Amino acid sequence: GESVGLHLPTLSVQEGDNSIINCAYSNSASDYFIWYKQESGKGPQFIIDIRSNMDKRQGQRVTVLLNKTVKHLSLQIAATQPGDSAVYFCAENRDYGQNFVFGPGTRLSVLP
Amino acid sequence: DAGVIQSPRHEVTEMGQEVTLRCKPISGHDYLFWYRQTMMRGLELLIYFNNNVPIDDSGMPEDRFSAKMPNASFSTLKIQPSEPRDSAVYFCASRAGTGGTGELFFGEGSRLTVL
Repeated sequence: GESVGLHLPTLSVQEGDNSIINCAYSNSASDYFIWYKQESGKGPQFIIDIRSNMDKRQGQRVTVLLNKTVKHLSLQIAATQPGDSAVYFCAENRDYGQNFVFGPGTRLSVLP
Repeated sequence: DAGVIQSPRHEVTEMGQEVTLRCKPISGHDYLFWYRQTMMRGLELLIYFNNNVPIDDSGMPEDRFSAKMPNASFSTLKIQPSEPRDSAVYFCASRAGTGGTGELFFGEGSRLTVL
């Protein structure tokens, strides 16, 4: 049940370390962003969101940073665990429009 | 809530056959989306509905694809005739109206293989 193919960027981290996953978005008018996690054989699951009037938002073990100047989004995962292994997607949206545009994804691999 | 429910989870068919994928959105959600995920193109929006009405089908690849939403709790995506290049994972997602957080809730997907 692989969701994406062999050409995905991959980030490998040691269990317990912090992970940083980056995303460049395309539309400077985008004002709402979401990070999704997709485990093998499953649909994407919501992790955290952020609106363009913020530059940082924290959840449980996760932090999203937004830099509108360079159109960059990052997801930080603290104390990465084996269960965090998955493909992570950022998605952008404008004016609560309905077309969420998804990035290509990054595969996170947690090493024991 | 059971979440977004899709069926079948897996479908293997031969080129030229008709394929129908089904989706039950989360109760009360006003929007329903069909996405396709492939290795080459990632997640692509095919079509979305608002209150059962198709709003944007510009992502539907060609006339072989059609989608319907006869009521608030059911939608279908049909491919007729199917071709090998249609092989992908098809996701249905739903979300609440503007009063909600805006996130999409995805189903588990339907993996289609066209031989």
